[in-house]
Amino acid sequence: EIVMTQSPATLSVSPGERATLSCRASQTVGSNLAWYQQKPGQAPRLLIYGASARATGFPARFSGSGSGTEFTLTISSLQSEDFAVYYCQQYNSWPWRTFGQGTKVEIK
Amino acid sequence: QVQLVQSGAEVKKPGASVKVSCKASGYTFTNYYMYWVRQAPGQGLEWMGIINPSGGSTTYAQKFQDRVTMTRDTSTSTVYMELSSLRSEDTAVYYCARDGVSGVPAAGTFDYWGQGTLVTVSS
Repeated sequence: EIVMTQSPATLSVSPGERATLSCRASQTVGSNLAWYQQKPGQAPRLLIYGASARATGFPARFSGSGSGTEFTLTISSLQSEDFAVYYCQQYNSWPWRTFGQGTKVEIK
Repeated sequence: QVQLVQSGAEVKKPGASVKVSCKASGYTFTNYYMYWVRQAPGQGLEWMGIINPSGGSTTYAQKFQDRVTMTRDTSTSTVYMELSSLRSEDTAVYYCARDGVSGVPAAGTFDYWGQGTLVTVSS
């Protein structure tokens, strides 16, 4: 099983600042990496797929990068609606899927 | 528009079984795989397995292999997840989620999610 490890567990950021979230895979997943945003009481929402493609409805301040085993989600200028928990997920080996444990982005 | 509507909250005793439904609409049901994912209170997301609504084939995460059964009813565009031998650690929100992205099936990502079903296991 591919293990996904996210860091940090919690990120405290002021509105308008940049946030950088990391995700590491225990073995290579190529570019088969997605990010999800989850707000309290809601289902997760697909944010990034293919490591860097933005899903419908998300603004350009969200960007993803990386390949292989190291991935990054960057939020260039945090808005109030961006405070949430973010999960990475690999989909390299069909049909097995695994998630990271999540990074909570909170207001500093 | 694509919608996944799940059944309501359940309270079960340890050792019992629960069956959660997920009714799909707004797309061709048999064209997209469906996943089940659960989330314990205050915890992360855990992949449970996948079902192919077209032929009914399934793959389960090893952790749930002996206790979970996923089925579908193509006449009602509904998938089901049944979990047996419930224990307190199974208390969680259970989600169904479609496999796709930008209208492309079998993408490996979860593009639409149900609203979640809270299953509480308590004596």
